[in-house]
Amino acid sequence: DTGVSQDPRHKITKRGQNVTFRCDPISEHNRLYWYRQTLGQGPEFLTYFQNEAQLEKSRLLSDRFSAERPKGSFSTLEIQRTEQGDSAMYLCASSLTGKETQYFGPGTRLLVL
Amino acid sequence: GQQLNQSPQSMFIQEGEDVSMNCTSSSIFNTWLWYKQEPGEGPVLLIALYKAGELTSNGRLTAQFGITRKDSFLNISASIPSDVGIYFCAGFFRNTDKLIFGTGTRLQVFP
Repeated sequence: DTGVSQDPRHKITKRGQNVTFRCDPISEHNRLYWYRQTLGQGPEFLTYFQNEAQLEKSRLLSDRFSAERPKGSFSTLEIQRTEQGDSAMYLCASSLTGKETQYFGPGTRLLVL
Repeated sequence: GQQLNQSPQSMFIQEGEDVSMNCTSSSIFNTWLWYKQEPGEGPVLLIALYKAGELTSNGRLTAQFGITRKDSFLNISASIPSDVGIYFCAGFFRNTDKLIFGTGTRLQVFP
Protein backbone atom coordinates (compact mmCIF):
# COMPACT_ATOMS: atom_id res chain seq x y z
CA ASP A 1 0.00 0.00 0.00
CA THR A 2 1.78 3.12 -1.22
CA GLY A 3 -0.73 5.63 0.08
CA VAL A 4 -2.14 8.61 -1.78
CA SER A 5 0.36 10.33 -4.06
CA GLN A 6 0.20 13.76 -5.66
CA ASP A 7 2.22 15.36 -8.40
CA PRO A 8 3.79 17.84 -8.55
CA ARG A 9 4.55 18.65 -4.92
CA HIS A 10 5.19 22.29 -5.74
CA LYS A 11 4.14 24.53 -8.62
CA ILE A 12 5.01 28.15 -9.25
CA THR A 13 3.16 29.82 -12.10
CA LYS A 14 2.40 33.25 -13.44
CA ARG A 15 -1.04 34.73 -13.20
CA GLY A 16 -3.16 33.76 -16.18
CA GLN A 17 -1.44 30.44 -16.84
CA ASN A 18 -3.19 27.09 -16.63
CA VAL A 19 -2.00 24.41 -14.21
CA THR A 20 -2.91 20.75 -13.78
CA PHE A 21 -2.37 18.57 -10.74
CA ARG A 22 -2.56 14.79 -10.51
CA CYS A 23 -3.68 12.55 -7.66
CA ASP A 24 -3.26 8.79 -7.42
CA PRO A 25 -5.45 7.34 -4.65
CA ILE A 26 -4.86 4.23 -2.58
CA SER A 27 -5.35 1.46 -5.14
CA GLU A 28 -8.53 -0.17 -3.84
CA HIS A 29 -10.25 3.11 -2.87
CA ASN A 30 -13.17 4.07 -5.09
CA ARG A 31 -13.74 7.54 -3.65
CA LEU A 32 -11.44 10.47 -4.32
CA TYR A 33 -11.67 13.97 -2.85
CA TRP A 34 -10.03 17.30 -3.56
CA TYR A 35 -9.53 19.92 -0.84
CA ARG A 36 -7.88 23.32 -0.75
CA GLN A 37 -5.97 24.63 2.22
CA THR A 38 -4.78 28.20 2.70
CA LEU A 39 -2.25 29.27 5.27
CA GLY A 40 -3.46 28.99 8.84
CA GLN A 41 -6.72 27.28 7.90
CA GLY A 42 -8.02 23.75 7.81
CA PRO A 43 -8.62 22.04 4.46
CA GLU A 44 -11.82 23.00 2.62
CA PHE A 45 -13.77 20.57 0.49
CA LEU A 46 -13.76 21.22 -3.27
CA THR A 47 -15.21 18.13 -4.97
CA TYR A 48 -15.34 14.35 -4.88
CA PHE A 49 -15.68 11.35 -7.13
CA GLN A 50 -17.09 7.91 -6.65
CA ASN A 51 -15.40 5.84 -9.34
CA GLU A 52 -15.66 8.02 -12.48
CA ALA A 53 -18.66 10.04 -11.36
CA GLN A 54 -18.20 13.50 -9.88
CA LEU A 55 -20.86 13.53 -7.17
CA GLU A 56 -20.49 16.91 -5.51
CA LYS A 57 -18.84 20.25 -6.14
CA SER A 58 -18.35 23.02 -3.63
CA ARG A 59 -19.29 26.61 -4.33
CA LEU A 60 -15.56 27.25 -3.87
CA LEU A 61 -14.99 25.51 -7.20
CA SER A 62 -15.33 28.33 -9.70
CA ASP A 63 -15.76 27.84 -13.44
CA ARG A 64 -12.00 28.05 -13.83
CA PHE A 65 -11.59 24.80 -11.92
CA SER A 66 -12.28 21.41 -13.43
CA ALA A 67 -11.63 17.95 -12.06
CA GLU A 68 -11.73 14.63 -13.84
CA ARG A 69 -11.34 10.98 -12.97
CA PRO A 70 -11.74 9.36 -16.36
CA LYS A 71 -11.06 5.71 -15.50
CA GLY A 72 -12.00 5.76 -11.87
CA SER A 73 -8.39 5.59 -10.77
CA PHE A 74 -6.22 8.74 -10.81
CA SER A 75 -7.73 12.21 -10.92
CA THR A 76 -6.62 15.56 -12.30
CA LEU A 77 -7.50 19.03 -11.09
CA GLU A 78 -7.03 21.82 -13.60
CA ILE A 79 -7.10 25.52 -12.85
CA GLN A 80 -7.43 27.78 -15.85
CA ARG A 81 -6.33 31.43 -15.97
CA THR A 82 -4.83 31.23 -12.50
CA GLU A 83 -5.23 34.15 -10.11
CA GLN A 84 -3.11 35.09 -7.11
CA GLY A 85 -5.98 34.05 -4.86
CA ASP A 86 -5.58 30.48 -6.13
CA SER A 87 -2.31 30.19 -4.22
CA ALA A 88 -2.86 27.41 -1.71
CA MET A 89 -2.10 23.79 -0.90
CA TYR A 90 -4.29 21.43 -2.95
CA LEU A 91 -4.89 18.17 -1.14
CA CYS A 92 -6.25 14.90 -2.43
CA ALA A 93 -7.77 12.19 -0.26
CA SER A 94 -9.28 8.78 -0.90
CA SER A 95 -11.58 6.37 0.86
CA LEU A 96 -13.71 3.29 0.36
CA THR A 97 -17.49 3.57 0.08
CA GLY A 98 -18.92 2.68 3.46
CA LYS A 99 -15.67 3.53 5.24
CA GLU A 100 -15.66 7.10 6.45
CA THR A 101 -11.94 7.51 7.04
CA GLN A 102 -10.26 9.61 4.38
CA TYR A 103 -6.53 9.31 3.77
CA PHE A 104 -4.69 12.32 2.45
CA GLY A 105 -1.81 12.74 0.06
CA PRO A 106 1.13 15.10 0.66
CA GLY A 107 -0.50 17.91 -1.30
CA THR A 108 0.53 20.20 -4.15
CA ARG A 109 1.55 23.66 -3.07
CA LEU A 110 0.64 26.25 -5.71
CA LEU A 111 2.07 29.74 -5.83
CA VAL A 112 0.65 32.15 -8.38
CA LEU A 113 2.86 35.18 -9.02
CA GLY B 1 -21.29 27.87 6.93
CA GLN B 2 -20.68 24.98 9.29
CA GLN B 3 -17.62 25.43 11.48
CA LEU B 4 -15.78 23.31 13.95
CA ASN B 5 -14.10 25.35 16.65
CA GLN B 6 -10.94 24.02 18.20
CA SER B 7 -9.28 25.15 21.38
CA PRO B 8 -6.76 26.11 22.31
CA GLN B 9 -5.56 27.74 19.12
CA SER B 10 -1.97 27.02 20.07
CA MET B 11 -0.03 25.35 22.86
CA PHE B 12 3.58 25.65 23.92
CA ILE B 13 4.54 22.87 26.30
CA GLN B 14 7.57 21.13 27.69
CA GLU B 15 8.54 17.61 26.68
CA GLY B 16 6.90 15.07 28.96
CA GLU B 17 3.78 17.11 29.66
CA ASP B 18 0.30 15.91 28.82
CA VAL B 19 -1.77 17.82 26.28
CA SER B 20 -5.50 18.20 25.94
CA MET B 21 -7.42 19.86 23.12
CA ASN B 22 -11.04 19.91 22.08
CA CYS B 23 -13.33 20.50 19.19
CA THR B 24 -16.91 21.79 19.33
CA SER B 25 -19.68 22.19 16.82
CA SER B 26 -23.12 23.77 16.75
CA SER B 27 -24.40 20.71 14.88
CA ILE B 28 -24.45 17.01 15.60
CA PHE B 29 -21.77 14.93 13.95
CA ASN B 30 -21.89 11.15 13.48
CA THR B 31 -18.17 10.69 13.02
CA TRP B 32 -15.16 12.51 14.37
CA LEU B 33 -11.70 12.21 12.88
CA TRP B 34 -8.48 13.60 14.30
CA TYR B 35 -5.59 14.45 11.98
CA LYS B 36 -2.06 15.77 12.49
CA GLN B 37 -0.40 17.93 9.88
CA GLU B 38 3.28 18.84 9.70
CA PRO B 39 4.60 21.76 7.63
CA GLY B 40 4.42 21.14 3.89
CA GLU B 41 2.67 17.80 4.28
CA GLY B 42 -0.89 16.51 4.08
CA PRO B 43 -2.94 15.64 7.16
CA VAL B 44 -2.25 12.21 8.66
CA LEU B 45 -5.14 10.34 10.24
CA LEU B 46 -4.62 9.69 13.96
CA ILE B 47 -7.91 8.44 15.36
CA ALA B 48 -11.45 7.85 14.07
CA LEU B 49 -14.51 7.89 16.34
CA TYR B 50 -17.91 6.55 15.27
CA LYS B 51 -20.17 6.43 18.32
CA ALA B 52 -21.20 8.90 21.03
CA GLY B 53 -19.20 8.26 24.20
CA GLU B 54 -16.58 6.22 22.36
CA LEU B 55 -13.06 6.43 23.79
CA THR B 56 -10.26 5.28 21.49
CA SER B 57 -6.50 5.17 21.95
CA ASN B 58 -3.61 5.09 19.52
CA GLY B 59 -0.37 4.81 21.45
CA ARG B 60 0.00 7.95 23.57
CA LEU B 61 -3.07 9.50 21.93
CA THR B 62 -6.58 9.14 23.30
CA ALA B 63 -9.68 10.67 21.77
CA GLN B 64 -13.29 10.74 22.88
CA PHE B 65 -16.55 11.29 21.03
CA GLY B 66 -18.66 13.57 23.21
CA ILE B 67 -22.00 12.34 24.53
CA THR B 68 -23.84 15.29 22.97
CA ARG B 69 -22.26 14.38 19.58
CA LYS B 70 -21.32 18.03 19.27
CA ASP B 71 -17.80 17.75 20.61
CA SER B 72 -14.67 15.64 20.73
CA PHE B 73 -11.46 15.65 22.74
CA LEU B 74 -7.90 14.61 22.01
CA ASN B 75 -5.32 13.96 24.68
CA ILE B 76 -1.62 13.34 24.17
CA SER B 77 0.29 11.89 27.10
CA ALA B 78 3.99 12.37 27.81
CA SER B 79 4.58 14.63 24.82
CA ILE B 80 7.78 14.33 22.79
CA PRO B 81 9.36 16.75 20.28
CA SER B 82 7.98 14.83 17.28
CA ASP B 83 4.43 15.60 18.46
CA VAL B 84 4.96 19.10 17.06
CA GLY B 85 2.43 19.99 14.39
CA ILE B 86 -1.11 21.18 13.83
CA TYR B 87 -3.91 18.95 15.06
CA PHE B 88 -7.22 19.12 13.23
CA CYS B 89 -10.55 17.62 14.15
CA ALA B 90 -12.90 16.82 11.29
CA GLY B 91 -16.40 15.52 10.85
CA PHE B 92 -18.92 14.82 8.13
CA PHE B 93 -21.43 17.59 7.54
CA ARG B 94 -25.09 16.54 7.69
CA ASN B 95 -24.44 12.94 6.69
CA THR B 96 -22.73 14.03 3.50
CA ASP B 97 -19.32 12.86 2.35
CA LYS B 98 -18.05 16.42 2.76
CA LEU B 99 -15.45 16.45 5.50
CA ILE B 100 -15.47 19.66 7.55
CA PHE B 101 -12.26 20.57 9.34
CA GLY B 102 -11.74 22.47 12.54
CA THR B 103 -9.63 25.56 12.93
CA GLY B 104 -6.65 23.57 14.20
CA THR B 105 -4.53 23.49 17.36
CA ARG B 106 -0.86 24.26 16.83
CA LEU B 107 1.35 22.31 19.22
CA GLN B 108 4.91 23.23 20.00
CA VAL B 109 6.97 20.98 22.29
CA PHE B 110 10.18 22.22 23.86
CA PRO B 111 12.87 19.76 25.02
